[in-house]
Amino acid sequence: GDSVTQMEGPVTLSEEAFLTINCTYTATGYPSLFWYVQYPGEGLQLLLKATKADDKGSNKGFEATYRKETTSFHLEKGSVQVSDSAVYFCALTRDYGQNFVFGPGTRLSVLP
Amino acid sequence: DAGVIQSPRHEVTEMGQEVTLRCKPISGHDYLFWYRQTMMRGLELLIYFNNNVPIDDSGMPEDRFSAKMPNASFSTLKIQPSEPRDSAVYFCASTTGGLEQFFGPGTRLTVL
Repeated sequence: GDSVTQMEGPVTLSEEAFLTINCTYTATGYPSLFWYVQYPGEGLQLLLKATKADDKGSNKGFEATYRKETTSFHLEKGSVQVSDSAVYFCALTRDYGQNFVFGPGTRLSVLP
Repeated sequence: DAGVIQSPRHEVTEMGQEVTLRCKPISGHDYLFWYRQTMMRGLELLIYFNNNVPIDDSGMPEDRFSAKMPNASFSTLKIQPSEPRDSAVYFCASTTGGLEQFFGPGTRLTVL
């Protein structure tokens, strides 16, 4: 079945450092790919998405590019802030939103 | 826009008791999802509804779990009898069938 693998956390960075969180997937066909973010005590929120190969999703300084050749969707940010501390989930769906498969999540802590 | 509403936010109960979690989706959304989040298993889809009809309940762990959606604005997830291993955060999410799922704040369940 479909699956999503993320780099293990936790990830701890200093403010203004560069962030990469790796995500790879296994799925048949052409899934849509997502990054969701969960701040402490809250539900998940959509951060960005990409629906076809080579698409780049971006939001709040975060970016991820849909790489079909490497089945990857790595999340990047050039300069993280303390407020970016959260858990980040990579996810996919092949059923146009009906069946999401989430990765295990990567906890990011940004220190001042 | 009130977002997805869940109640209660926290529930502490004793093993063997019945637990009912409630969810009000965003008005106009015709898909509703129930997820469970634990440290060990991550985020798991339990069941989802379309137009109040259960479509896929293959993630429901066992017969102790049941979910209903009597109308477009209300759903319940019931555990009877509850066990300590049911302790988790339970999320409800809704969508119009598009690519973004909107999550509620979750219910943190502790079964003693």
